Amino acid sequence: GAVVSQHPSRVICKSGTSVKIECRSLDFQATTMFWYRQFPKKSLMLMATSNEGSKATYEQGVEKDKFLINHASLTLSTLTVTSAHPEDSSFYICSAATGEVGAFFGQGTRLTVV
Amino acid sequence: GQNIDQPTEMTATEGAIVQINCTYQTSGFNGLFWYQQHAGEAPTFLSYNVLDGLEEKGRFSSFLSRSKGYSYLLLKELQMKDSASYLCAFSDSNYQLIWGAGTKLIIKP
Repeated sequence: GAVVSQHPSRVICKSGTSVKIECRSLDFQATTMFWYRQFPKKSLMLMATSNEGSKATYEQGVEKDKFLINHASLTLSTLTVTSAHPEDSSFYICSAATGEVGAFFGQGTRLTVV
Repeated sequence: GQNIDQPTEMTATEGAIVQINCTYQTSGFNGLFWYQQHAGEAPTFLSYNVLDGLEEKGRFSSFLSRSKGYSYLLLKELQMKDSASYLCAFSDSNYQLIWGAGTKLIIKP
């Protein structure tokens, strides 16, 4: 199956700093990438849909100025959590779509803001 | 509207069979997915059903009834490593995945 690589897998940062998470499709071109957030024992929550070369589409309630998404190429999308606060601590997962059949996920990033 | 529902938690015995059900409601449907997620890890793909019927893949099988808005994941010959959360999700008319909350499966020796 298709491979999606997400880095870093874990990051601890100080409150007020920014953190960038990268999501790469290694063996296919992903015109669309999705960013999810997952709280403990909860379902995946879609944050935004990222289309190559255009602005991301954010879900209701997600602050676009806080969660900056860039999809500069067909193989790379980045999520930057700006001015992070402890409540931003969560598991962030990217996925890339290949046509219409399912989604392939990155390994996820555990963000802890202290 | 759209919604999807699955049990929160199930317990089964090693070597046994377990069926995890998923019901959904949507006006647009482009397939039903099952994913396995171990604690602290991203989900991994298990199965995809877009037509009615049973799809078998080794120890895992997935069933879909579009008219009933119903799917199940069947796990046979359970192993301890099958302890995980199992997420069902359907693809809507825009091919966006709508996720269930996941079923935590506990396997006991």
